[in-house]
Amino acid sequence: QVQLQESGPRLVKPSQTLSLTCTVSGGSISSGSYYWSWIRQAAGKGLEWIGRIYTSGSTNYNPSLKSRVTISLDTSKNQFFLKLSSVTAADTAVYYCARVRRISHITTFGVVITGYFDYWGQGTLVTVSS
Amino acid sequence: DIQMTQSPSSLSASIGDRVTITCQASQDINNYLNWYQQRPGKAPKLLIYDASNLETGVPSRFSGNGSGTDFTFTISSLQPEDIATYYCQQYDNLLYTFGQGTKLEIK
Repeated sequence: QVQLQESGPRLVKPSQTLSLTCTVSGGSISSGSYYWSWIRQAAGKGLEWIGRIYTSGSTNYNPSLKSRVTISLDTSKNQFFLKLSSVTAADTAVYYCARVRRISHITTFGVVITGYFDYWGQGTLVTVSS
Repeated sequence: DIQMTQSPSSLSASIGDRVTITCQASQDINNYLNWYQQRPGKAPKLLIYDASNLETGVPSRFSGNGSGTDFTFTISSLQPEDIATYYCQQYDNLLYTFGQGTKLEIK
């Protein structure tokens, strides 16, 4: 059974960098069948996708956060990481890590790869406050 | 970017009722639409992928339908454990987008 677990500081000061680790067990992040992603949810709000990383190290980010986000991975430790710089109170949220199952669709325009979040961590609340 | 409009934002129903939630995309997304359940204080859980495929282990009272821009999610007979917020999600042009969510309550 695949499990994901977020860890990192729960309190971050404004203007500093938020850093989180996602540790994956029961499956390898080196598998080419998946992306590894971060999603966040502010209190009482909906879900916001932050970004994803592939086993190759290739990344994609939400354009709304792209200038402040870095996602990386360490295959030897089966972990991937989130760094969000220059945080403000608006970045206070529950942060989830999740596995994205990659699905290939053959269309008239060629191969389209979509995906869905099939395993999630329990989430960790990060508060930005001085 | 493709926008997802989910409705209603909240819904009250009785045990045993048939419940339907809709999600509309601003552009054709084929059938690349997924549905999640989020119980209070918990992480979201995948229920339906590619519009109509039931994830392994998910009860058959949950179903999804649609293609193009209009999608529906149905619970055929509402159970007490179905109290949750439900989200649709699509993927397009390197961006994953969730609907605003539908909070389902027991009447």
